[in-house]
Amino acid sequence: EVQLLDSGGGLVEPGGSLRLSCAASGFTFSNYAMSWVRQAPGKGLEWVSTISGSSDRTDYADSVKGRFTISRDNSKNTMYLQMNSLRAEDTAIYYCAKGHSGRRVDAFDIWGQGTMVTVSS
Amino acid sequence: DIQMTQSPSTLSAAVGDRVTITCRASQSISIWLAWYQQKPGKAPKLLIYKASSLESGVPSRFSGSGSGTEFTLTISSLQPDDFATYYCQEYNTYWWTFGQGTKVEIK
Repeated sequence: EVQLLDSGGGLVEPGGSLRLSCAASGFTFSNYAMSWVRQAPGKGLEWVSTISGSSDRTDYADSVKGRFTISRDNSKNTMYLQMNSLRAEDTAIYYCAKGHSGRRVDAFDIWGQGTMVTVSS
Repeated sequence: DIQMTQSPSTLSAAVGDRVTITCRASQSISIWLAWYQQKPGKAPKLLIYKASSLESGVPSRFSGSGSGTEFTLTISSLQPDDFATYYCQEYNTYWWTFGQGTKVEIK
């Protein structure tokens, strides 16, 4: 079964850091771009970042550029999101998502269950 | 950046109704549009990709159409399981933008 399990969320103070993880199973991980999408409480979906299958390209939303870093370890079938200089407006559920068909720019066909990040003092 | 505008924001409908949701892009995105369904407390679920391709396992009452800047998601006969929020998403370039969502409520 194709599955994503995201983890690493929690409560952090403004200016702090957190690293999210997304463990994949059931598919050839290195063949697919992977992404992070977030959803603030009661709000819509916001794309955060995407990494290509081979890690040769990363893209970020303007709202997180320079503060967040996406990475992946294909030997461990795991993707990461290092979040630094966190702000209150980063409070959200963070979902990892798999690219649909192997294209570099793709829809998201499999999603993790989400991990909650709360930035508050 | 491409802006995606969905309408309506909220839709009240009854079981059996035909429902149409519209998504407009601020510039042409060809056919690179997806539709997702999200229920409270759950992750989004892919329904439609490439504007009109039905994702495996999704009921055939869901359909998508459009190209360029105008797209629609149609539910031919609304079922109780379909009451949810629906999002469009463009993926034309190395940027992914979601619409603001359409909540389908029970009339």
